[in-house]
Amino acid sequence: AQSVTQLDSQVPVFEEAPVELRCNYSSSVSVYLFWYVQYPNQGLQLLLKYLSGSTLVKGINGFEAEFNKSQTSFHLRKPSVHISDTAEYFCAVTSTGGFKTIFGAGTRLFVKA
Amino acid sequence: DVKVTQSSRYLVKRTGEKVFLECVQDMDHENMFWYRQDPGLGLRLIYFSYDVKMKEKGDIPEGYSVSREKKERFSLILESASTNQTSMYLCASRGNRGRNTGELFFGEGSRLTVL
Repeated sequence: AQSVTQLDSQVPVFEEAPVELRCNYSSSVSVYLFWYVQYPNQGLQLLLKYLSGSTLVKGINGFEAEFNKSQTSFHLRKPSVHISDTAEYFCAVTSTGGFKTIFGAGTRLFVKA
Repeated sequence: DVKVTQSSRYLVKRTGEKVFLECVQDMDHENMFWYRQDPGLGLRLIYFSYDVKMKEKGDIPEGYSVSREKKERFSLILESASTNQTSMYLCASRGNRGRNTGELFFGEGSRLTVL
């Protein structure tokens, strides 16, 4: 079985500041890792994903994440946030070849002017 | 452009009513999912389907059923709605062809209020 822990439920940050949203996972099998973003009153959309290969993954809107196998983490980062990045961010895992995707509880990012 | 469409964005129902939530995808995906989203709990899987007429229970199937008569359509049914089923319901789909990257494509959600 897999589980996902997002370590911060809310992250307030000023515009143009860097941000890191933390995600730890546990799994006894190989997994794919994802970050999804949900803007208000919308469904989720994929931000980035790690399948294999380079541990640094770049996604849309300037976000990137680093897969750390030894620490079982997949933290999301952006060097300079914008007001428009205000949203809820979900970390998720799927076992390779499996059907189910397990989501973390989400982190609300508030970007202040 | 890929699309997952949920039939109702907002619904208000009374306790004991039967509720249908419908989801249609135009990507010819084999796999479809229903999730429930609640604050502080993230997304929890209710049911999924990997083929027409096939269904599997997720983590919280109690009080729900599903139907998949056609590949593109996956319906979630609340036989007798209760107030604790007030929530946001999200439908998603995923393909099988080629390399399964596991990426889910989501609809915009159906917010159900049960009074």
